Amino acid sequence: SQTIHQWPATLVQPVGSPLSLECTVEGTSNPNLYWYRQAAGRGLQLLFYSVGIGQISSEVPQNLSASRPQDRQFILSSKKLLLSDSGFYLCAWSRDGFNEKLFFGSGTQLSVL
Amino acid sequence: SQQGEEDPQALSIQEGENATMNCSYKTSINNLQWYRQNSGRGLVHLILIRSNEREKHSGRLRVTLDTSKKSSSLLITASRAADTASYFCATSALNEKLTFGTGTRLTIIP
Repeated sequence: SQTIHQWPATLVQPVGSPLSLECTVEGTSNPNLYWYRQAAGRGLQLLFYSVGIGQISSEVPQNLSASRPQDRQFILSSKKLLLSDSGFYLCAWSRDGFNEKLFFGSGTQLSVL
Repeated sequence: SQQGEEDPQALSIQEGENATMNCSYKTSINNLQWYRQNSGRGLVHLILIRSNEREKHSGRLRVTLDTSKKSSSLLITASRAADTASYFCATSALNEKLTFGTGTRLTIIP
């Protein structure tokens, strides 16, 4: 069966510090991978998606970047965090196409202070 | 934007009652999906209904889709305390990415 791992669960970082959130998927190959951000009490905003190794598409211009160094690994990064980067970050994957069922990780609550 | 909007924003019912949430969207879709999110957790997929379908069932869940009204409803029958969560609809057109609404926060009162 397929599983998705996302870590850390909680992160408190000072403004201006770097960020690295990691997500890995097991039990499937060549998944579509996604990073979403959810503000408190709000819906999900798609940040990045990837259809293959090294292929990253950005949905929203921002202080963040994403990379996919391996087929089932997706990393969200920032060189210098801003207060506005605080939020709940979710990694997800899907099998085929962009509008099929998404499988989500457990999320990372990021607080930038 | 394809973004769905859920209604109501919040709903509180007694355990055992049925809960109904609605989702409206703006343009033609390929499919519509419902997800559940427990507080501080990731989203869990509940049901996917395609544009040529009108109703789907999964256990105590019933989803309807009315493409003429650009709306969908999620019915949870015989609610339980464990159903307390936020429920999101997500829509997409063909070859477009899913867009999520802001959710309905459902509270089941024991």
